[in-house]
Amino acid sequence: GDSVTQMEGPVTLSEEAFLTINCTYTATGYPSLFWYVQYPGEGLQLLLKATKADDKGSNKGFEATYRKETTSFHLEKGSVQVSDSAVYFCALRDTGGFKTIFGAGTRLFVKA
Amino acid sequence: DAGVTQSPTHLIKTRGQQVTLRCSPKSGHDTVSWYQQALGQGPQFIFQYYEEEERQRGNFPDRFSGHQFPNYSSELNVNALLLGDSALYLCASSLFQGAVETQYFGPGTRLLVL
Repeated sequence: GDSVTQMEGPVTLSEEAFLTINCTYTATGYPSLFWYVQYPGEGLQLLLKATKADDKGSNKGFEATYRKETTSFHLEKGSVQVSDSAVYFCALRDTGGFKTIFGAGTRLFVKA
Repeated sequence: DAGVTQSPTHLIKTRGQQVTLRCSPKSGHDTVSWYQQALGQGPQFIFQYYEEEERQRGNFPDRFSGHQFPNYSSELNVNALLLGDSALYLCASSLFQGAVETQYFGPGTRLLVL
């Protein structure tokens, strides 16, 4: 079945460091790909999405590019802030499907 | 524009009891999905409701049931609670417009089963 694998955390960075969180997927069709962020004690917020190969999703300085050849959707940010500390989830949804499949999440800590 | 709302925010139950969780979708959204997020894990799909019918179900036992009302709000019912049902229950709403839909999540209901 379809699945999402993301790098294990926690990831600890200093403020203004470069962030990469790796995400790879397995899917039989042509899924849409998402990154969600979860702040402590809150629900999930959509961070960015990409719906087809080579699409780049971006929001709030975060970017991810849909790479079909490597089945990857890595999340990047050039300069992280303390306020970016949260858990990040990579997810996929099959075209025409009704459920979203999530990775296990990667916790990010940013130190001042 | 109100987002997805859920009630209650927290709930404590004992084993064997039954619980009902509620969700109001984002304005204009007609589809509601429910997810279970265990501590330290990603959300797991329970089921989705559209036009008051269960459209798809994940790998959850029949103890988990739901309902969608004509105003698109939804309930999740869990019977015969087990300790393992302790989790954050997330509701997500969306508007199905073809091949791609984006889900918007509520803040969740945290259920503790003792």
